[in-house]
Amino acid sequence: QSVLTQPPSVSGAPGQRVTISCTGSSSNIGAGYDVYWYQQLPGTAPKFLINANGDRPSGIPERFSGSKSGTSASLAISGLQAEDEADYYCQSYDSSLRVVFGGGTKLTVL
Amino acid sequence: QVQLQESGPGLVKPSQTLSLTCSVSGDSITSRGDYWGWIRQHPGKGLEWIGYIHFTGSTYYSPSLKSRVTISVDTSKNQFSLKLTSVTAADTAVYYCARVPHADWFDPWGQGTLVTVSS
Repeated sequence: QSVLTQPPSVSGAPGQRVTISCTGSSSNIGAGYDVYWYQQLPGTAPKFLINANGDRPSGIPERFSGSKSGTSASLAISGLQAEDEADYYCQSYDSSLRVVFGGGTKLTVL
Repeated sequence: QVQLQESGPGLVKPSQTLSLTCSVSGDSITSRGDYWGWIRQHPGKGLEWIGYIHFTGSTYYSPSLKSRVTISVDTSKNQFSLKLTSVTAADTAVYYCARVPHADWFDPWGQGTLVTVSS
């Protein structure tokens, strides 16, 4: 059981907007620590996407946005494309465990 | 552009020690305040943090693996390494190395290497 809770799966049609939630607690997200999101395409290594402040590395489209409120964070993907089909993971700092990941969310593009 | 590459045996016997090395290219392992870390992913499962190290030797480990893990750095070779002792089948996973800027997020990642624990 992961410290950060994500929905196992989400889906959306091309062009739609989907959001993936990441729920933590007062020892991690709720304590004000940043949240980071990773995309893992099938058969590949995870890739850093964005943090909860919306900071993206170069090359990551503006379609990806991040936010945080209280003990939760969200990743939003607008203008959904077939190439976005992947597993998405959130990650944060925890005062006891230091680094914690969410269990991952499988995004299916219908 | 920094790149990381894991290397090491793909098969380890139970009770033995898993040893992997991550070679860093495109940047010095002593640059800035970066840490250098290891993460693993059991087959079909999520990501699990193992630990990370700063070139000064400062290390942090996952509490669940701390008793069996050692991460070290070789600045002369621009590499860092992972040792996991007393392995069991439960340690079978894809092992990734990654740069950890300011000990916060993981970017970039190596391509990963599958390590199978089996006799």
